[in-house]
Amino acid sequence: QSVLTQPPSVSGAPGQRVTISCTGSNSNIGAGYDVHWYQQVPGTAPKLLIYGNNNRPSGVPDRFSDSKSGTSASLAITGLQAEDEADYYCQSFDSSLSGSVFGGGTKLTVL
Amino acid sequence: EVQLVESGGGLVQPGGSLRVSCAASGFTFSSFAMSWVRQAPGKGPEWVSAITGSGGGTYYADSVKGRFTISRDNSKNTLYLQMNSLRGDDTAVYFCARQRVGAYFGSGSYNYWGQGTLVTVSS
Repeated sequence: QSVLTQPPSVSGAPGQRVTISCTGSNSNIGAGYDVHWYQQVPGTAPKLLIYGNNNRPSGVPDRFSDSKSGTSASLAITGLQAEDEADYYCQSFDSSLSGSVFGGGTKLTVL
Repeated sequence: EVQLVESGGGLVQPGGSLRVSCAASGFTFSSFAMSWVRQAPGKGPEWVSAITGSGGGTYYADSVKGRFTISRDNSKNTLYLQMNSLRGDDTAVYFCARQRVGAYFGSGSYNYWGQGTLVTVSS
């Protein structure tokens, strides 16, 4: 059972917008710790997609954005493309556990 | 170019020990905190342990505390994870990951990951 809760799956047609939620608690997201997002294609390492407050590493398109409110965060993907099909994970820090915590992951299917 | 290359994974019996390594290149190794993150088959990543840039501070997930030891040799640009008293639920791909900024472990993200090394605990 992951500390951060994500929906197991989401789907959308090419060109559509999808969102992936990440729900935590007052010891992690609610405590003000940054939320980061990763994209993972099966068989490869996670790739940093967004860090901190909606910052994207070089090469990540601005179709990806995030938001945070209270104990939750969301990743939004606009203009969905076939290449976006992957697993997505959120990550934060938990003060009670004194370490990084990850979500259980959301599988994005592009219809 | 930043590279992280893990090695040392394999099959080990329950109760056994294993040490995995991560060779780093392309950046000033001692300037960054490093972590081990594992991922069991079909599961999300799980943070295991972290170490500060100097090696003076170490941090562990409750699930491995007392059994695993993280260390680093900054002269060899190498990160280690000594795993003792291994159990079946330790079976996973073990990734080393570099914190995006800073030598102190904190709430940051991981912007560089190795390819992972598979550890299988089974009799």
